[in-house]
Amino acid sequence: SQLAEENLWALSVHEGESVTVNCSYKTSITALQWYRQKSGEGPAQLILIRSNEREKRNGRLRATLDTSSQSSSLSITATRCEDTAVYFCATGGGYKVVFGSGTRLLVSP
Amino acid sequence: GGIITQTPKFLIGQEGQKLTLKCQQNFNHDTMYWYRQDSGKGLRLIYYSITENDLQKGDLSEGYDASREKKSSFSLTVTSAQKNEMAVFLCASSISGASAETLYFGSGTRLTVL
Repeated sequence: SQLAEENLWALSVHEGESVTVNCSYKTSITALQWYRQKSGEGPAQLILIRSNEREKRNGRLRATLDTSSQSSSLSITATRCEDTAVYFCATGGGYKVVFGSGTRLLVSP
Repeated sequence: GGIITQTPKFLIGQEGQKLTLKCQQNFNHDTMYWYRQDSGKGLRLIYYSITENDLQKGDLSEGYDASREKKSSFSLTVTSAQKNEMAVFLCASSISGASAETLYFGSGTRLTVL
Protein backbone atom coordinates (compact mmCIF):
# COMPACT_ATOMS: atom_id res chain seq x y z
CA SER A 1 0.00 0.00 0.00
CA GLN A 2 1.04 3.62 -0.53
CA LEU A 3 3.11 5.21 2.21
CA ALA A 4 1.77 8.64 1.28
CA GLU A 5 -1.72 9.25 -0.02
CA GLU A 6 -3.90 12.20 -0.86
CA ASN A 7 -7.38 11.83 0.57
CA LEU A 8 -9.41 12.83 -2.46
CA TRP A 9 -9.19 11.75 -6.08
CA ALA A 10 -10.51 15.03 -7.44
CA LEU A 11 -11.81 18.47 -6.46
CA SER A 12 -13.55 21.18 -8.38
CA VAL A 13 -13.82 24.84 -7.39
CA HIS A 14 -14.61 28.15 -9.02
CA GLU A 15 -11.96 30.78 -9.56
CA GLY A 16 -11.45 32.92 -6.48
CA GLU A 17 -12.50 30.24 -4.02
CA SER A 18 -10.14 28.61 -1.52
CA VAL A 19 -9.41 24.89 -1.55
CA THR A 20 -7.56 22.43 0.66
CA VAL A 21 -5.94 19.18 -0.38
CA ASN A 22 -5.19 16.65 2.36
CA CYS A 23 -2.57 13.95 2.62
CA SER A 24 -1.91 11.15 5.08
CA TYR A 25 1.26 9.14 5.43
CA LYS A 26 2.30 5.98 7.22
CA THR A 27 5.93 6.32 8.26
CA SER A 28 7.97 8.69 10.39
CA ILE A 29 9.33 11.42 8.15
CA THR A 30 12.07 14.03 8.02
CA ALA A 31 10.11 16.14 5.56
CA LEU A 32 7.00 16.23 3.41
CA GLN A 33 6.85 17.86 0.02
CA TRP A 34 3.95 19.10 -2.06
CA TYR A 35 4.30 18.98 -5.84
CA ARG A 36 2.04 20.23 -8.61
CA GLN A 37 1.86 18.68 -12.06
CA LYS A 38 0.15 20.56 -14.85
CA SER A 39 -1.00 18.78 -17.97
CA GLY A 40 1.91 17.85 -20.22
CA GLU A 41 4.54 18.85 -17.66
CA GLY A 42 6.60 17.17 -14.99
CA PRO A 43 5.87 17.74 -11.29
CA ALA A 44 7.22 20.92 -9.73
CA GLN A 45 7.78 21.36 -6.03
CA LEU A 46 5.55 23.85 -4.28
CA ILE A 47 6.52 23.52 -0.63
CA LEU A 48 8.88 21.39 1.45
CA ILE A 49 7.91 21.25 5.12
CA ARG A 50 10.25 19.60 7.60
CA SER A 51 9.13 17.41 10.49
CA ASN A 52 9.92 20.14 13.05
CA GLU A 53 7.75 22.69 11.21
CA ARG A 54 3.99 22.99 11.63
CA GLU A 55 3.21 25.44 8.83
CA LYS A 56 4.89 26.86 5.77
CA ARG A 57 3.72 29.43 3.27
CA ASN A 58 4.56 30.22 -0.33
CA GLY A 59 2.48 33.07 -1.72
CA ARG A 60 -1.13 31.87 -1.96
CA LEU A 61 -0.13 28.43 -0.75
CA ARG A 62 -0.05 27.26 2.85
CA ALA A 63 1.06 23.80 3.96
CA THR A 64 0.55 22.34 7.41
CA LEU A 65 2.07 19.27 8.96
CA ASP A 66 0.74 17.28 11.91
CA THR A 67 3.20 14.56 12.81
CA SER A 68 0.99 13.19 15.57
CA SER A 69 -1.80 12.34 13.15
CA GLN A 70 0.63 11.78 10.25
CA SER A 71 -1.21 14.17 8.01
CA SER A 72 -0.58 17.28 5.97
CA SER A 73 -2.71 19.80 4.12
CA LEU A 74 -2.09 22.19 1.28
CA SER A 75 -4.40 25.19 1.05
CA ILE A 76 -4.68 27.48 -1.93
CA THR A 77 -6.39 30.81 -1.50
CA ALA A 78 -7.91 32.90 -4.29
CA THR A 79 -7.63 30.08 -6.80
CA ARG A 80 -6.98 30.82 -10.46
CA CYS A 81 -7.69 28.76 -13.55
CA GLU A 82 -3.95 28.14 -13.88
CA ASP A 83 -4.01 26.30 -10.53
CA THR A 84 -5.74 23.44 -12.38
CA ALA A 85 -3.34 20.53 -11.93
CA VAL A 86 -2.68 17.31 -10.04
CA TYR A 87 -1.33 17.90 -6.55
CA PHE A 88 0.92 15.27 -4.98
CA CYS A 89 2.25 14.91 -1.50
CA ALA A 90 5.56 13.12 -1.15
CA THR A 91 7.30 11.94 1.96
CA GLY A 92 11.03 11.87 2.39
CA GLY A 93 13.28 13.16 -0.32
CA GLY A 94 16.01 12.25 -2.73
CA TYR A 95 15.94 8.59 -3.73
CA LYS A 96 13.75 7.70 -0.77
CA VAL A 97 10.86 9.92 -1.77
CA VAL A 98 7.43 8.28 -2.00
CA PHE A 99 4.65 9.98 -3.97
CA GLY A 100 0.93 9.68 -3.42
CA SER A 101 -1.37 9.14 -6.41
CA GLY A 102 -2.46 12.79 -6.43
CA THR A 103 -5.56 14.94 -6.12
CA ARG A 104 -6.85 16.39 -9.38
CA LEU A 105 -7.94 20.00 -8.92
CA LEU A 106 -10.08 21.72 -11.49
CA VAL A 107 -10.50 25.48 -11.18
CA SER A 108 -13.21 26.80 -13.46
CA PRO A 109 -14.03 30.41 -14.33
CA GLY B 1 18.32 27.97 -12.69
CA GLY B 2 18.62 24.79 -14.64
CA ILE B 3 16.59 22.60 -16.87
CA ILE B 4 16.00 18.92 -17.49
CA THR B 5 15.51 17.96 -21.11
CA GLN B 6 13.91 14.66 -22.04
CA THR B 7 13.93 13.23 -25.55
CA PRO B 8 11.88 12.21 -27.33
CA LYS B 9 8.68 13.83 -26.04
CA PHE B 10 6.56 11.09 -27.66
CA LEU B 11 7.70 7.56 -28.41
CA ILE B 12 5.67 4.95 -30.26
CA GLY B 13 7.02 1.44 -30.40
CA GLN B 14 6.12 -2.07 -31.40
CA GLU B 15 5.71 -5.01 -29.08
CA GLY B 16 9.06 -6.58 -28.26
CA GLN B 17 11.04 -3.56 -29.40
CA LYS B 18 13.97 -2.15 -27.44
CA LEU B 19 13.39 1.54 -26.81
CA THR B 20 15.72 4.17 -25.35
CA LEU B 21 14.74 7.36 -23.58
CA LYS B 22 17.26 10.12 -22.91
CA CYS B 23 17.59 12.78 -20.23
CA GLN B 24 19.99 15.70 -19.85
CA GLN B 25 20.33 18.09 -16.88
CA ASN B 26 22.36 21.27 -16.52
CA PHE B 27 21.87 21.73 -12.77
CA ASN B 28 25.19 19.95 -12.14
CA HIS B 29 23.28 17.66 -9.76
CA ASP B 30 24.88 14.43 -8.61
CA THR B 31 21.73 12.29 -8.49
CA MET B 32 19.37 11.49 -11.33
CA TYR B 33 16.21 9.41 -11.41
CA TRP B 34 13.80 7.70 -13.77
CA TYR B 35 10.16 7.40 -12.74
CA ARG B 36 7.21 5.78 -14.44
CA GLN B 37 3.79 7.41 -14.20
CA ASP B 38 0.71 5.46 -15.21
CA SER B 39 -2.56 7.24 -15.77
CA GLY B 40 -4.17 8.25 -12.50
CA LYS B 41 -1.35 6.88 -10.39
CA GLY B 42 1.62 8.15 -8.48
CA LEU B 43 5.22 8.05 -9.59
CA ARG B 44 7.15 4.81 -9.26
CA LEU B 45 10.94 4.77 -9.17
CA ILE B 46 12.61 2.66 -11.87
CA TYR B 47 16.30 3.51 -11.49
CA TYR B 48 18.43 6.14 -9.90
CA SER B 49 22.11 7.08 -10.06
CA ILE B 50 24.06 8.97 -7.41
CA THR B 51 27.05 9.68 -9.60
CA GLU B 52 28.50 9.04 -13.04
CA ASN B 53 28.57 5.29 -13.85
CA ASP B 54 26.54 4.43 -10.74
CA LEU B 55 23.19 2.63 -11.10
CA GLN B 56 20.71 1.71 -8.37
CA LYS B 57 17.49 -0.24 -8.89
CA GLY B 58 14.20 1.19 -7.78
CA ASP B 59 10.92 -0.61 -7.12
CA LEU B 60 10.12 -1.09 -10.81
CA SER B 61 13.44 -1.96 -12.44
CA GLU B 62 12.43 -5.25 -14.05
CA GLY B 63 12.16 -4.84 -17.80
CA TYR B 64 14.41 -1.78 -17.85
CA ASP B 65 18.11 -0.95 -18.11
CA ALA B 66 19.75 2.37 -17.40
CA SER B 67 23.02 4.09 -18.20
CA ARG B 68 24.82 7.08 -16.67
CA GLU B 69 27.93 7.69 -18.73
CA LYS B 70 28.17 11.38 -17.89
CA LYS B 71 27.14 13.40 -14.87
CA SER B 72 24.72 15.39 -17.00
CA SER B 73 22.95 12.53 -18.75
CA PHE B 74 20.92 9.50 -17.76
CA SER B 75 19.28 7.16 -20.25
CA LEU B 76 16.63 4.50 -19.78
CA THR B 77 16.06 1.49 -22.01
CA VAL B 78 12.84 -0.47 -22.17
CA THR B 79 14.31 -3.89 -22.97
CA SER B 80 11.16 -5.38 -24.55
CA ALA B 81 8.15 -3.15 -24.98
CA GLN B 82 4.86 -4.69 -23.86
CA LYS B 83 1.83 -4.53 -26.16
CA ASN B 84 -0.75 -1.85 -25.24
CA GLU B 85 1.66 -0.32 -22.74
CA MET B 86 1.06 3.39 -22.19
CA ALA B 87 2.90 5.44 -19.62
CA VAL B 88 4.80 8.64 -19.04
CA PHE B 89 8.47 8.34 -18.08
CA LEU B 90 9.79 11.19 -15.99
CA CYS B 91 13.44 12.01 -15.44
CA ALA B 92 14.45 14.00 -12.37
CA SER B 93 17.57 15.21 -10.62
CA SER B 94 18.52 16.37 -7.15
CA ILE B 95 21.66 17.79 -5.60
CA SER B 96 22.85 14.68 -3.79
CA GLY B 97 19.94 12.28 -3.23
CA ALA B 98 19.78 13.02 0.47
CA SER B 99 16.60 13.02 2.45
CA ALA B 100 14.38 16.13 2.42
CA GLU B 101 15.77 17.19 -0.95
CA THR B 102 13.86 18.72 -3.83
CA LEU B 103 13.47 16.77 -7.05
CA TYR B 104 13.52 18.68 -10.34
CA PHE B 105 11.62 17.00 -13.15
CA GLY B 106 11.66 17.04 -16.91
CA SER B 107 8.39 17.21 -18.84
CA GLY B 108 8.37 13.51 -19.64
CA THR B 109 8.44 11.03 -22.50
CA ARG B 110 5.04 9.58 -23.39
CA LEU B 111 5.34 5.96 -24.49
CA THR B 112 2.75 4.10 -26.51
CA VAL B 113 3.29 0.50 -27.59
CA LEU B 114 1.18 -0.78 -30.46
